[in-house]
Amino acid sequence: AQSVTQPDIHITVSEGASLELRCNYSYGATPYLFWYVQSPGQGLQLLLKYFSGDTLVQGIKGFEAEFKRSQSSFNLRKPSVHWSDAAEYFCAVGDNTDKLIFGTGTRLQVFP
Amino acid sequence: DGGITQSPKYLFRKEGQNVTLSCEQNLNHDAMYWYRQDPGQGLRLIYYSQIVNDFQKGDIAEGYSVSREKKESFPLTVTSAQKNPTAFYLCASRGSWGQGVRSKNIQYFGAGTRLSVL
Repeated sequence: AQSVTQPDIHITVSEGASLELRCNYSYGATPYLFWYVQSPGQGLQLLLKYFSGDTLVQGIKGFEAEFKRSQSSFNLRKPSVHWSDAAEYFCAVGDNTDKLIFGTGTRLQVFP
Repeated sequence: DGGITQSPKYLFRKEGQNVTLSCEQNLNHDAMYWYRQDPGQGLRLIYYSQIVNDFQKGDIAEGYSVSREKKESFPLTVTSAQKNPTAFYLCASRGSWGQGVRSKNIQYFGAGTRLSVL
């Protein structure tokens, strides 16, 4: 079955610390992978995407993610977190058809 | 500005009442989607439409209905048959990244409507 797992429900980091949010997927075909961010009471904003090619992709707001096929993972990273990064982060997987499958999200809290 | 507009931002439903959530896009996207978001459950697909006058059920369509009479609009009705309607509802449309046969699909989201039961 196709699925996305975000093992960490809630993560707390200090401002300036590095961040890694985990995402594992199960998908039969070659996956297209996405990370979205959601601020409280808002819609989802696309952070970055992976379709093919270079397995390290850069996104907006200083985020990057690495696709590791052997581990079925697409972890999101940021070298230095800012207080404004506090939000909920969703990993999603799909192909070039109609549907995306979303993980259950990771809530990031940032302490000053 | 181009984008996806959802209204209202907050909506309250009385027992036995149908309510309609609006979603309008001016991005000229063919496909549109409705998702339901509950705490700790991520996004679940309610309905989607690939083209005007056509739509398909998603994973949790029971108690909901949609129409797609115009390319720009994809309203969602939460019917009285939906016994647990309290949730955050997100509308999305699907755009293309890249050119021609190499283009890839990306979903873009509105700001959401929070529905509560009185």
